[in-house]
Amino acid sequence: QLVLTQSPSASASLGASVKLTCTLSSGHSSNAIAWHQQQPEKGPRYLMKLNSDGSHSKGDGIPDRFSGSSSGAERYLTISSLQSEDEADYYCQTWGTGTVVFGGGTKLTVL
Amino acid sequence: QVQLQESGPGLVHPSETLSLSCAVSGYSIINYYWSWIRQPPGKGLEWIGYLYHSGSANYNPSLKSRVTLSIDRSKNQFSLKLSSVTAADTAVYYCARVSPGSGNYYFDYWGQGTLVTVSS
Repeated sequence: QLVLTQSPSASASLGASVKLTCTLSSGHSSNAIAWHQQQPEKGPRYLMKLNSDGSHSKGDGIPDRFSGSSSGAERYLTISSLQSEDEADYYCQTWGTGTVVFGGGTKLTVL
Repeated sequence: QVQLQESGPGLVHPSETLSLSCAVSGYSIINYYWSWIRQPPGKGLEWIGYLYHSGSANYNPSLKSRVTLSIDRSKNQFSLKLSSVTAADTAVYYCARVSPGSGNYYFDYWGQGTLVTVSS
């Protein structure tokens, strides 16, 4: 079964970096994923598509502070030089034959 | 730049059918896949289904028996119908574009969402 697992919460200081993790279930380690950001009281915004080899393509206007990487079944979103507006929920998302799956989301707090 | 705008009633009574539309501007609806996603208050995102401009669709198995997606090429919009709603269907409903590209099923443009409350 295709499942994405995310830690419920993360925190980091203003100006620092943070690395969020999304883990693919067994047998799906080659899947690409997408990362989406949801700021408080707003709709989601597409950040990037992230492939299993770590290559990624970002959405329109996404700053260079956002980057992605991969290792095995893990997919990472790294945000550097954290700003207050980065405080948001971050969701990973993937797909299989005729289906789409979201992770449970990680709530990022910027201290 | 693709823009999507959801519209429809904000209140639906239990056992009735929820109906929403998504107007697409900036791109033709043809040759793309389009999707609906929902988010219950305080919870995460749940995929509802996606459809192609031809009308072929795939649905979340947990909702499949109650969901119908359709497309109106003349109005450049697509629609969601969810039947026999209960309070558990209360959520913000988002429409989104599926990114073009063979085998890609991720969402690169989202609407702002519309809250639908199921209550008598």
